[in-house]
Amino acid sequence: EPEVTQTPSHQVTQMGQEVILRCVPISNHLYFYWYRQILGQKVEFLVSFYNNEISEKSEIFDDQFSVERPDGSNFTLKIRSTKLEDSAMYFCASRRTGLAYEQYFGPGTRLTVT
Amino acid sequence: DQQVKQNSPSLSVQEGRISILNCDYTNSMFDYFLWYKKYPAEGPTFLISISSIKDKNEDGRFTVFLNKSAKHLSLHIVPSQPGDSAVYFCAASAPLYNQGGKLIFGQGTELSVKP
Repeated sequence: EPEVTQTPSHQVTQMGQEVILRCVPISNHLYFYWYRQILGQKVEFLVSFYNNEISEKSEIFDDQFSVERPDGSNFTLKIRSTKLEDSAMYFCASRRTGLAYEQYFGPGTRLTVT
Repeated sequence: DQQVKQNSPSLSVQEGRISILNCDYTNSMFDYFLWYKKYPAEGPTFLISISSIKDKNEDGRFTVFLNKSAKHLSLHIVPSQPGDSAVYFCAASAPLYNQGGKLIFGQGTELSVKP
């Protein structure tokens, strides 16, 4: 069964450094998402992406964040200058087009900012 | 922003009995609701969903009930099995033509099914 994959599984970085989190969505899906979950808190929407552009972003997704689909398979989240409060699990998700609401999530990347 | 609430952080049931997980929402624009199951160190796994035009959807041991007037939904698991032990998240979406399908999640309920 097709699944969303994410790399790396765990990323440790120093405050102020740039990180890139990578995702490979399900191949025939056209809508892509990033969510994050800070330890002990709920899963929060960050950004949605369709047709090579951002369709919606949350207030969390400020100028330090960017997303890109550099080729036909990868979907990346870049944090330019990480802060301690960026430490969280980051989940990528994808959805088919049409009226399919269901999103399928990857296993997540645990980002630790020290 | 508490648009989706799961007021019970944890639930413990005996194997074979029914598990009932509850979820409340406040936004009348939501028209689709989903339940996800999450194990530690894994991503949320889609479990079952329901459109706002229905009041019940069933898939094997899992049934979701929607009460639009009360803005309340519940997930029933019958019979509960130890492998069902996980965190269950309720999520809601506005219509897909509006806001691109982002999901708003509840805080989650940790279900423990005891043998």
